Amino acid sequence: AQSVTQPDIHITVSEGASLELRCNYSYGATPYLFWYVQSPGQGLQLLLKYFSGDTLVQGIKGFEAEFKRSQSSFNLRKPSVHWSDAAEYFCAVGAGGFKTIFGAGTRLFVKA
Amino acid sequence: KAGVTQTPRYLIKTRGQQVTLSCSPISGHRSVSWYQQTPGQGLQFLFEYFSETQRNKGNFPGRFSGRQFSNSRSEMNVSTLELGDSALYLCASREGGTSGTEQFFGPGTRLTVL
Repeated sequence: AQSVTQPDIHITVSEGASLELRCNYSYGATPYLFWYVQSPGQGLQLLLKYFSGDTLVQGIKGFEAEFKRSQSSFNLRKPSVHWSDAAEYFCAVGAGGFKTIFGAGTRLFVKA
Repeated sequence: KAGVTQTPRYLIKTRGQQVTLSCSPISGHRSVSWYQQTPGQGLQFLFEYFSETQRNKGNFPGRFSGRQFSNSRSEMNVSTLELGDSALYLCASREGGTSGTEQFFGPGTRLTVL
């Protein structure tokens, strides 16, 4: 069965430090992969997506993600975190047909 | 284009009551999906409607139902509310296509069941 795992429930980083949020998926074929961000009191906003081609994907707000087929991973990275990046981040898989499966989310806290 | 709108934004109900939530998708989007979000559970998929037909359904009891109108607006209904139904209910729209299409989310309806 298709699934998405985000191993870290929450992560705290200092402002200006680098960030990596982990995502592992289970899917038989090459999936569509997404990262969404949810700020408090708001809906989800797409950060970036991977369909095919270059495995390093650039997104909005300075985020990037790398698809590693051998590890079934799609980790999200940012070289320097800003206080405004504090939010909840969701990895998602387009699991064929019309269904999208979301991970449980990782809440990011940013220390001043 | 205007974004996805959901009404009401906040709702308080008591056990046993029923509730109807509304979602207006982005103009031109024919697909509307509903998700339940609770702490620690992430987003749980409820169902998806496309051109007034339900084409996908999650693992929720029959108390949860939905429909879509010809203008693509969608409603979700929960009957006989339980305390565990307290959650943020998110609606998302997309143009159609497959699971590779980006979804656009509304701000959600916060439902509290007392």
